[in-house]
Amino acid sequence: QVQLVQSGAEVRKPGASVKVSCKASGYTFTGYYMHWVRQAPGQGLEWMGWINTNRGDTNYAQKFQGRVTMTRDTSISTAYMELSRLRSDDTAVYYCARNPLDYWGQGTLVTVSS
Amino acid sequence: EIVLTQSPATLSLSPGERATLSCRASQSVSSYLAWYQQKPGQAPRLLIYDASNRATGIPPRFSGSGSGTDFTLTISSLEPEDFAVYYCQQRSNLPPWTFGQGTKVEIK
Repeated sequence: QVQLVQSGAEVRKPGASVKVSCKASGYTFTGYYMHWVRQAPGQGLEWMGWINTNRGDTNYAQKFQGRVTMTRDTSISTAYMELSRLRSDDTAVYYCARNPLDYWGQGTLVTVSS
Repeated sequence: EIVLTQSPATLSLSPGERATLSCRASQSVSSYLAWYQQKPGQAPRLLIYDASNRATGIPPRFSGSGSGTDFTLTISSLEPEDFAVYYCQQRSNLPPWTFGQGTKVEIK
């Protein structure tokens, strides 16, 4: 069965970076793009971008351009999302989701606080 | 960027009643619209893709319709487990993919 398992919760100070992982199993990792979506506390869903897990090319939402980097390691079927220059309003649950958002990870809470 | 507007913000209904949720796009998204259900503390779950196709394992009481800019999610007879927040999302040709702000279906 398809599973996406994300890394655990993180706490960072403003200005720091965080890297969240998403390990895929139960399907051919390189056959599907991987998306990242976040949700601030009590708020809606916000699409951050995707990575072509086969070729490695990416497409980021303009809001995150320059701060987000999505990568993958095909040898271990894992996608990564790194967000830099963190601010308090980056506090959110970050999800990975297989294209076309049919399977989701369990979410990773990132808390940004001084 | 395509903006999706969902209405109403909150829908108060009783089990067994019919729920009708609306999603309007700021420009045409053809049929590239999906619906998700989210319960507290859980990841979203895909219900409907390409406007009217039920995802794997989704019961037939959920149906989607529409094209262009106006879309509807209908739950024909609410079950207790259907009370949740519902989001629409578009994936028309170019990114960014955007979500609506959500409709909460609550127990009356």
